[in-house]
Amino acid sequence: AQKITQTQPGMFVQEKEAVTLDCTYDTSDQSYGLFWYKQPSSGEMIFLIYQGSYDEQNATEGRYSLNFQKARKSANLVISASQLGDSAMYFCAMREPNSGYSTLTFGKGTMLLVSP
Amino acid sequence: DTEVTQTPKHLVMGMTNKKSLKCEQHMGHRAMYWYKQKAKKPPELMFVYSYEKLSINESVPSRFSPECPNSSLLNLHLHALQPEDSALYLCASSQGAGSTLIEKLFFGSGTQLSVL
Repeated sequence: AQKITQTQPGMFVQEKEAVTLDCTYDTSDQSYGLFWYKQPSSGEMIFLIYQGSYDEQNATEGRYSLNFQKARKSANLVISASQLGDSAMYFCAMREPNSGYSTLTFGKGTMLLVSP
Repeated sequence: DTEVTQTPKHLVMGMTNKKSLKCEQHMGHRAMYWYKQKAKKPPELMFVYSYEKLSINESVPSRFSPECPNSSLLNLHLHALQPEDSALYLCASSQGAGSTLIEKLFFGSGTQLSVL
């Protein structure tokens, strides 16, 4: 069964608008960590934001925020005021205690295109 | 310095060639990783080195041979590859070895490998 599900293969947004990228996950652990990474065409995976399962507040990092709904097992990434440089592939990932060694389980990704 | 540096950026090799991919980090991280990423797919874990010792080998064929000469360097030796091995090979590092859920991976820009 898929651990991380990203249902949007592609998303389009206009510059300066906000966009939400969806991520749902499946785990039986009470303690886990959720990550979002951005991968531009250059190839590098860039860490954006982290949410711990016990964090009571939604994580925020600049224009990035995480809409964390634990009961629904969703961790959607919200990008406010989109910029052309936000065009990239976005991956949601999870780490569980029994995975060890920093292994991350990645979703299939969402390609975001920002238009002028 | 928060960079993971990979060389070369691009590599074309024949099925009988022997080549090596190199990765370097100077962040004092104790865990280093090799991931393989096919086009439009999420990264797949290949190997994990923790404190310069191989700790995870995700059933990778022996034509891929990792090496960690010291805590800052990680190599991937390639021999007798197949065309289906063509992919983006990403190196990553993390501060520890997965002792905390929040531990994030820092990725390099990858080596785009084409096997003819």
